[in-house]
Amino acid sequence: DIQMTQSPSSLSASVGDRVTITCRAGQSINNFLNWYQQKPGRAPKLLVYETSNLQSGVPSRFSGSGSGTDFTLTISSLQPEDFAIYYCQQSYGPPWTFGQGTKVEIK
Amino acid sequence: QVQLVQSGAEVKKPGASVKVSCKASGYTFTGNYIHWVRQAPGQRLEWMGWIDPNGGGTNSAQKFQGRVTMTRDTSISTAYMELTGLTSDDTAVYYCARDLGVVVVTAISYWGQGTLVTVSS
Repeated sequence: DIQMTQSPSSLSASVGDRVTITCRAGQSINNFLNWYQQKPGRAPKLLVYETSNLQSGVPSRFSGSGSGTDFTLTISSLQPEDFAIYYCQQSYGPPWTFGQGTKVEIK
Repeated sequence: QVQLVQSGAEVKKPGASVKVSCKASGYTFTGNYIHWVRQAPGQRLEWMGWIDPNGGGTNSAQKFQGRVTMTRDTSISTAYMELTGLTSDDTAVYYCARDLGVVVVTAISYWGQGTLVTVSS
């Protein structure tokens, strides 16, 4: 199975801050990397698919980049509704695997 | 609008089986793969497998092979996931979710509300 490792595991930030979350795959996954946001008690929400494609309806302050084994999710200006847990997930090959999550908290 | 509505919470004893249903609406059921993902309390998301509602073909994580069965009934646009040999480690919220891609698998774009399965003696 392809191991996905995110960093940091948690971070504190203020509204308006630029936030970057990193995801590293245990092997090259080309661009088959997706990002999800999950709020407490809710199902995850797809933000970015195939590294850099913004899902319909997702604000443009979210962006993704990377290739091979190293990927990033950037929130350009953190908003109150962005405090949540973010997961990366590889769709290079089954089994699909997720990172451990990055919790974004209010500073 | 796309909706996936799952069956209600279950409490099972160790060794039992559970079958979760997922009724789809708002799109052509046979056009997109359905995934099953679970999340144990405080843990990361865990992909269990997918089913192609068109032909019924499945692919499950090796961890669950022999214990998980994914099926569908196209006449009522409903997918099912049955997990046997339950242990306390199977206590989790189970999600069905629809793939973004048409015919191909890409990412998980629409999620059901989740079904809590509790395994306890």
